[in-house]
Amino acid sequence: SQQGEEDPQALSIQEGENATMNCSYKTSINNLQWYRQNSGRGLVHLILIRSNEREKHSGRLRVTLDTSKKSSSLLITASRAADTASYFCATDAQSGGYQKVTFGTGTKLQVIP
Amino acid sequence: NAGVMQNPRHLVRRRGQEARLRCSPMKGHSHVYWYRQLPEEGLKFMVYLQKENIIDESGMPKERFSAEFPKEGPSILRIQQVVRGDSAAYFCASSSQGPEAFFGQGTRLTVV
Repeated sequence: SQQGEEDPQALSIQEGENATMNCSYKTSINNLQWYRQNSGRGLVHLILIRSNEREKHSGRLRVTLDTSKKSSSLLITASRAADTASYFCATDAQSGGYQKVTFGTGTKLQVIP
Repeated sequence: NAGVMQNPRHLVRRRGQEARLRCSPMKGHSHVYWYRQLPEEGLKFMVYLQKENIIDESGMPKERFSAEFPKEGPSILRIQQVVRGDSAAYFCASSSQGPEAFFGQGTRLTVV
């Protein structure tokens, strides 16, 4: 598996439900970020969690990080139709003397009104 | 402060032509990343540049692809002699010293 691999690949839920997406990675990281991409658009930064943090909140988003398991989860509470998008995790780590950001393949979320 | 600007948004090229994709990073950002995204897939790292330097081009094909980030002006991703397999969305991201990257809206290249 590649650095930054999300699961599930696709998720379909009803509006109002919670959506949970997971990300696993292989090497040690400095930070982990989650991005959203609406169809045909660029990526929008959602939240960053540092390697020494375990949980972070931002509005309806909750991110957890377990460095021992090399995994992170993104929880979107009380989902809305507008949350329909692809969600990517991105890890940055030292690579050859600089910070390299690597993206996963994404989870495609569909929120049904 | 404008965001990351990419142009053109859409580019159609015939096989064998050259494609030039431009990316103007956010003001004050000196780090630029280029990514390629095929339909229904994630982002694939291509190249990381700082002003006038290529730091990591491990994700970029050795032939036909090149990138630059001159002291003045935008970063350019250049694809020579395009083939159908080059059709994809190409995203540019910029950052300053921190890890957070800001993305442009992408250039959608179609090779016919």
